[in-house]
Amino acid sequence: GEDVEQSLFLSVREGDSSVINCTYTDSSSTYLYWYKQEPGAGLQLLTYIFSNMDMKQDQRLTVLLNKKDKHLSLRIADTQTGDSAIYFCAESSIYNTDKLIFGTGTRLQVFP
Amino acid sequence: DAGVIQSPRHEVTEMGQEVTLRCKPISGHDYLFWYRQTMMRGLELLIYFNNNVPIDDSGMPEDRFSAKMPNASFSTLKIQPSEPRDSAVYFCASTRVGGDTIYFGEGSWLTVV
Repeated sequence: GEDVEQSLFLSVREGDSSVINCTYTDSSSTYLYWYKQEPGAGLQLLTYIFSNMDMKQDQRLTVLLNKKDKHLSLRIADTQTGDSAIYFCAESSIYNTDKLIFGTGTRLQVFP
Repeated sequence: DAGVIQSPRHEVTEMGQEVTLRCKPISGHDYLFWYRQTMMRGLELLIYFNNNVPIDDSGMPEDRFSAKMPNASFSTLKIQPSEPRDSAVYFCASTRVGGDTIYFGEGSWLTVV
């Protein structure tokens, strides 16, 4: 079945760039998403990329997709303490575009 | 729009008791999802509905769990009897056909003691 994997933790210093990585197994993925979960809250969509793209930039966020290696990354430039949260990678399949499969989440800790 | 609304936000209950979690999706959304989040397993899809009909319940852990969607604006997830290992955050989410994302509620934080 589909599987999405992420590393569990990442610590960065304020002002540095953060790179959160994700790998997935479903070669029929259509959309790939990044969600952010702040403490005590639900998940909020940060950005998404269609599978025929290899890069998408949105202000401080850059998403890179390597479809051959099934690797997705989220780069946050000039990371701030407010970026501390859990970041989830998710994918949807061409066969079932309304069902998202989530990774385990990466907990980003930003320290001054 | 008010977003996806879940209740209760927090519940502490004793083992063996029945737990009912409620969800109101965003008006006009055709799909409703129930997810469970734990430290050990991350975010798991339990069940989802399309136009009030359950489409895939393969993620429901066992018969103690049941979900219903009697109309387009309401869904429940019931656990009977509850066990300590059911302690988790339960998220409801909704989307519409062709939508670019799903929208999550703020979760129901369940503790079974």
